[in-house]
Amino acid sequence: GAVVSQHPSWVICKSGTSVKIECRSLDFQATTMFWYRQFPKQSLMLMATSNEGSKATYEQGVEKDKFLINHASLTLSTLTVTSAHPEDSSFYICSARDLSSGANVLTFGAGSRLTVL
Amino acid sequence: DAKTTQPPSMDCAEGRAANLPCNHSTISGNEYVYWYRQIHSQGPQYIIHGLKNNETNEMASLIITEDRKSSTLILPHATLRDTAVYYCIVRVVGTNAGKSTFGDGTTLTVKP
Repeated sequence: GAVVSQHPSWVICKSGTSVKIECRSLDFQATTMFWYRQFPKQSLMLMATSNEGSKATYEQGVEKDKFLINHASLTLSTLTVTSAHPEDSSFYICSARDLSSGANVLTFGAGSRLTVL
Repeated sequence: DAKTTQPPSMDCAEGRAANLPCNHSTISGNEYVYWYRQIHSQGPQYIIHGLKNNETNEMASLIITEDRKSSTLILPHATLRDTAVYYCIVRVVGTNAGKSTFGDGTTLTVKP
């Protein structure tokens, strides 16, 4: 089945630094990938849609200059949290859809837990 | 997406069937019902989906009422590893699946 790999699984950084999270589709091509954020005991919140070869589409209230998204190839999307602050500490998850399945099913990465000190 | 309503939590004894309900009374004719689950500190996992017929796979069964206003996810023999948050989502096939709205889901606790 479709597999999405996310790296790193956890990261700790100092306030003011930038952190990059990678999302890869391992056995299928994904022209579109999705990034979510999840705070403790809350549901997933869609942050942005990553589009291969074009600009990402951000959800209302998500700062595009703070959460930089790059989708450079059909199998890789990256999320960079710039100038991270403690309030950015969260669980970040990516997903992609294997269009060849025709089922509109999302495959999720394992998530990346960011802790900003 | 049609709005879904799920109970916030449920308990189930290990080895017994877990029946998780979902209400989607405003579902439209071309919307499918999808179920995902999220085990603690992991990414969500797809379980099953259906339109109007009951569906079964190696993980679970999905029972959709005839009027399609509600559905039930059945885990036939729950194990401790099935403890997770279960999300019911309705979505039109062919539209942007990533835009799916994840509500609060049902926290299923399987007890020994």
